[in-house]
Amino acid sequence: GDSVTQMEGPVTLSEEAFLTINCTYTATGYPSLFWYVQYPGEGLQLLLKATKADDKGSNKGFEATYRKETTSFHLEKGSVQVSDSAVYFCALTYGRALTFGSGTRLQVQP
Amino acid sequence: EAQVTQNPRYLITVTGKKLTVTCSQNMNHEYMSWYRQDPGLGLRQIYYSMNVEVTDKGDVPEGYKVSRKEKRNFPLILESPSPNQTSLYFCASSWSGNKNTEAFFGQGTRLTVV
Repeated sequence: GDSVTQMEGPVTLSEEAFLTINCTYTATGYPSLFWYVQYPGEGLQLLLKATKADDKGSNKGFEATYRKETTSFHLEKGSVQVSDSAVYFCALTYGRALTFGSGTRLQVQP
Repeated sequence: EAQVTQNPRYLITVTGKKLTVTCSQNMNHEYMSWYRQDPGLGLRQIYYSMNVEVTDKGDVPEGYKVSRKEKRNFPLILESPSPNQTSLYFCASSWSGNKNTEAFFGQGTRLTVV
């Protein structure tokens, strides 16, 4: 079946460092891909999405490109802030349900 | 404010005592679903509903029931809770079951079954 694999955390960075969180997927069809973020004590919020191959999603300085040839959707940000500390989930869907990765905790230190 | 509201936020109960977690959305969304979040597993779908009176099983439905009598509400029912249902539960809603549609999540219900 379909699945999503994310790099294990926690990822600990200093403020203004470059961020990459790897995400690869296995899919039988052509899903949409998402990154959701979960701040402490809150539900998940959509960070960005891409609906077809070569699409780039972007929001709040974060970017990810839907790479069909490498089945990847890596999350990047050029300069992280303390306020970016959260758990990040990569997910795919054909519509009925989101299939999530296990999540990557990001800790940004001042 | 557009939101998905779950209640309660925290619940400790004993094995076998029936409980209901409520979920309500104010966005007139057709599609609603329940997920559970467990360490190392991400979120897994329990049940979903495409519209009023239309519900179906997700990936981990055993031990759960749902109903969709009104568009805005989608309660999760545990008839006889067991310790392996200790988890963090999220309700989500979206305009439709289309693959391009954003899902909105509630704040979560942390359930402990002892």
